[in-house]
Amino acid sequence: DVKVTQSSRYLVKRTGEKVFLECVQDMDHENMFWYRQDPGLGLRLIYFSYDVKMKEKGDIPEGYSVSREKKERFSLILESASTNQTSMYLCASIKRRDSSAFNQPQHFGDGTRLSIL
Amino acid sequence: AQSVTQLGSHVSVSEGALVLLRCNYSSSVPPYLFWYVQYPNQGLQLLLKYTTGATLVKGINGFEAEFKKSETSFHLTKPSAHMSDAAEYFCAVRGTGNQFYFGTGTSLTVIP
Repeated sequence: DVKVTQSSRYLVKRTGEKVFLECVQDMDHENMFWYRQDPGLGLRLIYFSYDVKMKEKGDIPEGYSVSREKKERFSLILESASTNQTSMYLCASIKRRDSSAFNQPQHFGDGTRLSIL
Repeated sequence: AQSVTQLGSHVSVSEGALVLLRCNYSSSVPPYLFWYVQYPNQGLQLLLKYTTGATLVKGINGFEAEFKKSETSFHLTKPSAHMSDAAEYFCAVRGTGNQFYFGTGTSLTVIP
């Protein structure tokens, strides 16, 4: 089974801090994603990456950056944390889309519940 | 462009009653559709996925979904709700690239 591991389940940080959220997958997946989840808004895509050192903005990239130095690891960075970034953050991965992976689902980590005080 | 709409942000059913969670999709290409479940303070787990050619899809925990192209729907059902089914449910569609598009979720409450 695919394992997507997020480094922290719960995290409390202060306004203005630089925050790192780490995600590691063990199935050699090319594509990795960061979402934030808020009540009533579902999952919103922050950034995704389709290869090492490659990244694409999602729907809500403002205030965030990402890093993908190794295929298995995808980091989300809050450059200067603000209270409106208090949320649940979910990492996901999936194999590159080709004819054999057309209907494959994303695999999710357990999430990081981040509180910014 | 692809998108999904989940009707009803909250659904309550009695234990043993039918569960029906609604999802409508919009897609310019044959859709690849998924239902996920999220238990409190956990990530999303795959319940089932739609594969072209099969209109009725069976998933885990007794859930199934019916793909209706004419209605652009992919509703999730379970004949008899169990207390352990209380969770958040998300419908999703895969886009033409690598992105997935999620509905806003439906919170299911099961009343004993």
